Amino acid sequence: KNEVEQSPQNLTAQEGEFITINCSYSVGISALHWLQQHPGGGIVSLFMLSSGKKKHGRLIATINIQEKHSSLHITASHPRDSAVYICAVYPNTGNQFYFGTGTSLTVIP
Amino acid sequence: GAVVSQHPSRVICKSGTSVKIECRSLDFQATTMFWYRQFPKQSLMLMATSNEGSKATYEQGVEKDKFLINHASLTLSTLTVTSAHPEDSSFYICSVWTGGYTEAFFGQGTRLTVV
Repeated sequence: KNEVEQSPQNLTAQEGEFITINCSYSVGISALHWLQQHPGGGIVSLFMLSSGKKKHGRLIATINIQEKHSSLHITASHPRDSAVYICAVYPNTGNQFYFGTGTSLTVIP
Repeated sequence: GAVVSQHPSRVICKSGTSVKIECRSLDFQATTMFWYRQFPKQSLMLMATSNEGSKATYEQGVEKDKFLINHASLTLSTLTVTSAHPEDSSFYICSVWTGGYTEAFFGQGTRLTVV
């Protein structure tokens, strides 16, 4: 069983739609990252969360430590948001990150 | 923040040959770098932790004699896939995590195809 589960695996949206990607994990964590992987493969970190909520432009990330759950929201989605979004957690007891399998998002004009 | 540069971005090699992939931390002295492998539609899988000036730490199931890691300086780690075979074809990506786990920076990745 993977320590990090993401849903949905694939998501297609119309431009302008509000999008939510979910991440559930099974271990106690020190931090959670939301990563964006572009079609060419390059990965960038969007957010690091240890509690609460963060917002950057049209992106909002929330985390509920008690429920071991995080969500990534994209408001007013745009075709350039099309990418794979990956959730990564750093366990309290550990020295490496665990990654979800990613959510492939396609935003159609 | 740190900028991580990985080279080459794509490489095609013949079966039995070796391929070297470089990962450079351009503005951050990285005592530790991480090498991941990603198969299509799958998670990033940690292969090894590269430690400057000492031996790399390999994850279970990763052959250290096949995937040679050298971290000779604070800004450069290399992964050499020796005697490559078609099953080694994959996407390899390096990363640097600063502050333990608070910031993550990734190389552009290397798409290796062994023919």
